[in-house]
Amino acid sequence: QKEVEQNSGPLSVPEGAIASLNCTYSDRGSQSFFWYRQYSGKSPELIMFIYSNGDKEDGRFTAQLNKASQYVSLLIRDSQPSDSATYLCAVNLRPSGGSYIPTFGRGTSLIVHP
Amino acid sequence: KAGVTQTPRYLIKTRGQQVTLSCSPISGHRSVSWYQQTPGQGLQFLFEYFSETQRNKGNFPGRFSGRQFSNSRSEMNVSTLELGDSALYLCASSLAGRGLGYNEQFFGPGTRLTVL
Repeated sequence: QKEVEQNSGPLSVPEGAIASLNCTYSDRGSQSFFWYRQYSGKSPELIMFIYSNGDKEDGRFTAQLNKASQYVSLLIRDSQPSDSATYLCAVNLRPSGGSYIPTFGRGTSLIVHP
Repeated sequence: KAGVTQTPRYLIKTRGQQVTLSCSPISGHRSVSWYQQTPGQGLQFLFEYFSETQRNKGNFPGRFSGRQFSNSRSEMNVSTLELGDSALYLCASSLAGRGLGYNEQFFGPGTRLTVL
């Protein structure tokens, strides 16, 4: 059973549109949620983190967290072709009752076409 | 401030050999984590070192080991390489904070390991 689930995509949106990326997780005790962007052939780059229910905005990016429904999403406004990448969701999970460690989803591929 | 650095960037080994990868974290970061990334399994957590001690460990066999030095630099070792060990190995550093699961991590460029 996957603990952090993401739709692999690709999600294709036109330039200027809003891209919505979603992630669900299995552990109700999770408290930290991260979004990373990974360009092809590059390493993941932290975009945002969110700890509390609700929305957190940073420029064109908004992270939304709903702990009751166990999902976290990332909205990208005014999408640009340069946003085309794989977006990884990471959630701190506690495997086998041990310490919380970041667990990554498989990522969603986003394509922004001109 | 310099980012996370990893050496070497590319490595080709044959089955049965061993390999050592190196990671230098961002200055001031005391936690170093290692990940394996493959197309089939995605990004998987190997282990985390903090203050020269392994603080967390993922579900990998004992062939995968690591250590951390007093300057926070870390090395990862894989012994008796298998074909399935071919992957991108990523190192990430973070401030100690409340624990690995709570801290933002910053990734290095990775080491691409190919096992023939």
